[in-house]
Amino acid sequence: SAVISQKPSRDICQRGTSLTIQCQVDSQVTMMFWYRQQPGQSLTLIATANQGSEATYESGFVIDKFPISRPNLTFSTLTVSNMSPEDSSIYLCSAVDRAMGEQYFGPGTRLTVT
Amino acid sequence: QKEVEQNSGPLSVPEGAIASLNCTYSDRGSQSFFWYRQYSGKSPELIMSIYSNGDKEDGRFTAQLNKASQYVSLLIRDSQPSDSATYLCAGSSSGGSYIPTFGRGTSLIVHP
Repeated sequence: SAVISQKPSRDICQRGTSLTIQCQVDSQVTMMFWYRQQPGQSLTLIATANQGSEATYESGFVIDKFPISRPNLTFSTLTVSNMSPEDSSIYLCSAVDRAMGEQYFGPGTRLTVT
Repeated sequence: QKEVEQNSGPLSVPEGAIASLNCTYSDRGSQSFFWYRQYSGKSPELIMSIYSNGDKEDGRFTAQLNKASQYVSLLIRDSQPSDSATYLCAGSSSGGSYIPTFGRGTSLIVHP
């Protein structure tokens, strides 16, 4: 299995600012993803973080708003740019284990935008 | 459009009973299926994976897969109040890029 850490675990940010969330995996993984989840709602896939190249974004999400980096196999960052209260959510990093193809999640970052 | 469907619930069962959670999927190319447990305020935790038709047992949990019917289920025997959580079903295709599809989750309540 893969153990995933994220930081920060939570933050309160002002409108118009940006926050970068870091994700570290303890082993090499094939794919890394970023999700958003509103309280009581299902997971929404933001993008697939590709090593050494631009992320692949899902419909409704764009690079200017959610720039993503993945400089190596075990680390990725998600930036939430020019934040508004609508960006308040839990952001989850996820990775697929290379050995078994199973997907694991980090503990999440709870973001509140005021 | 790949879809994974789950009844949102809540499914309420008494302590000690069998909880049965169900999931259907639309993509016949899906090969791998996963069940996650998510407690309120926590991230999803992988509890079962199943790749071939039939049953797979792990402790009190049994996952069942029927590819012909495009149906996946999770049985929880001897349900405990600590099993109360949202259970997410997910499916993915093998080969090429792995893009998982998640259901919306079923809320399970186990009452004493």
